[in-house]
Amino acid sequence: NAGVTQTPKFQVLKTGQSMTLQCAQDMNHEYMSWYRQDPGMGLRLIHYSVGAGITDQGEVPNGYNVSRSTTEDFPLRLLSAAPSQTSVYFCASSYSHRGRQPQHFGDGTRLSIL
Amino acid sequence: ELKVEQNPLFLSMQEGKNYTIYCNYSTTSDRLYWYRQDPGKSLESLFVLLSNGAVKQEGRLMASLDTKARLSTLHITAAVHDLSATYFCAVDDGMNRDDKIIFGKGTRLHILP
Repeated sequence: NAGVTQTPKFQVLKTGQSMTLQCAQDMNHEYMSWYRQDPGMGLRLIHYSVGAGITDQGEVPNGYNVSRSTTEDFPLRLLSAAPSQTSVYFCASSYSHRGRQPQHFGDGTRLSIL
Repeated sequence: ELKVEQNPLFLSMQEGKNYTIYCNYSTTSDRLYWYRQDPGKSLESLFVLLSNGAVKQEGRLMASLDTKARLSTLHITAAVHDLSATYFCAVDDGMNRDDKIIFGKGTRLHILP
């Protein structure tokens, strides 16, 4: 059972480039979310989804897009990368957005924008 | 808008001592989570607290929730070096018809041998 899989694990981009961070889960979880982690800032919610076809903004959505066409996948797109988006990105999933289970986290994607 | 505050943000303590980490949040919630993160690693779940007065214990860690005070505590008993990590609380904003789960900034715990 793979859990939450994030790819790539590391990426270096130039300012202005675009890319997609992939996230897939094989637990049939309804709820998926993306966070970014910066030193001293904890985890900040970027976008989240309560099910296929439904997405919503979190605390820091600007510069990012998401889609949820299937239950399993929740990709995060950086439209035009900026140095301020240098961070560690975590994808997480849980069975239900009002359930009794915690979120399961992927291993993270370490992204540097030059 | 839900805000989650943890304190202290950094804690250095001796092995064998007891200490408490506090997690305050700003709006009504009945779901609170504690996670642990080791350096360079992902987050792992420690506790899920689902009602007022809930108490969960695992080894030297005990978490509790007071929804009226909007406060959760993570108590460490007789700390050992292996508990050195960053601890996060996270709060579900679902009672306010919002499905966000918001994290505190984390408490970095360093236990000295």
